[in-house]
Amino acid sequence: DVKVTQSSRYLVKRTGEKVFLECVQDMDHENMFWYRQDPGLGLRLIYFSYDVKMKEKGDIPEGYSVSREKKERFSLILESASTNQTSMYLCASTLWGDQETQYFGPGTRLLVL
Amino acid sequence: ELKVEQNPLFLSMQEGKNYTIYCNYSTTSDRLYWYRQDPGKSLESLFVLLSNGAVKQEGRLMASLDTKARLSTLHITAAVHDLSATYFCAVDEDSNYQLIWGAGTKLIIKP
Repeated sequence: DVKVTQSSRYLVKRTGEKVFLECVQDMDHENMFWYRQDPGLGLRLIYFSYDVKMKEKGDIPEGYSVSREKKERFSLILESASTNQTSMYLCASTLWGDQETQYFGPGTRLLVL
Repeated sequence: ELKVEQNPLFLSMQEGKNYTIYCNYSTTSDRLYWYRQDPGKSLESLFVLLSNGAVKQEGRLMASLDTKARLSTLHITAAVHDLSATYFCAVDEDSNYQLIWGAGTKLIIKP
């Protein structure tokens, strides 16, 4: 079974703090994704990566950056957290060329005060 | 810009009834995905529909895809309480593995 893990299930940070969210997958997937999920808005793509050190902006990259130094690990960074970044963050991965499905991590619920 | 719209966004129904969730999308695509999310949990893949006319069924859920109408349906037969969840559809835009997501349909099935 594919396993996608995220470093924290719940996180509380203060405005202006730097926040790191980490995602690890154990199935050698090329593609990894970071989404945020907000009520009534579905999932919105922040960034995705199709290979080590490669990244592409998604629909809402502002205020975020990412890092993919190793194939299995994809980090989302909030350089200076703001209250409007309070959300559920979901990481996903999939094989390159796999048309089947994205596999999701359990999510990190971030509260920025 | 690809848009994906789900209808309804909220549905409360009795056990034993049938109902359908609709997913409309605005540009050509022949890849559509259905996911389920339980409260406080992550998303679980239900169906992947890869061509016009595709139909997939598992248990009381059946999904279909009409690429000409740009419409997918998720049909629930004889609903049971365990199917209460939020259901998302997502469309693969331009085969670049970026998915565009619907807003989700929150389904509550009352015993």
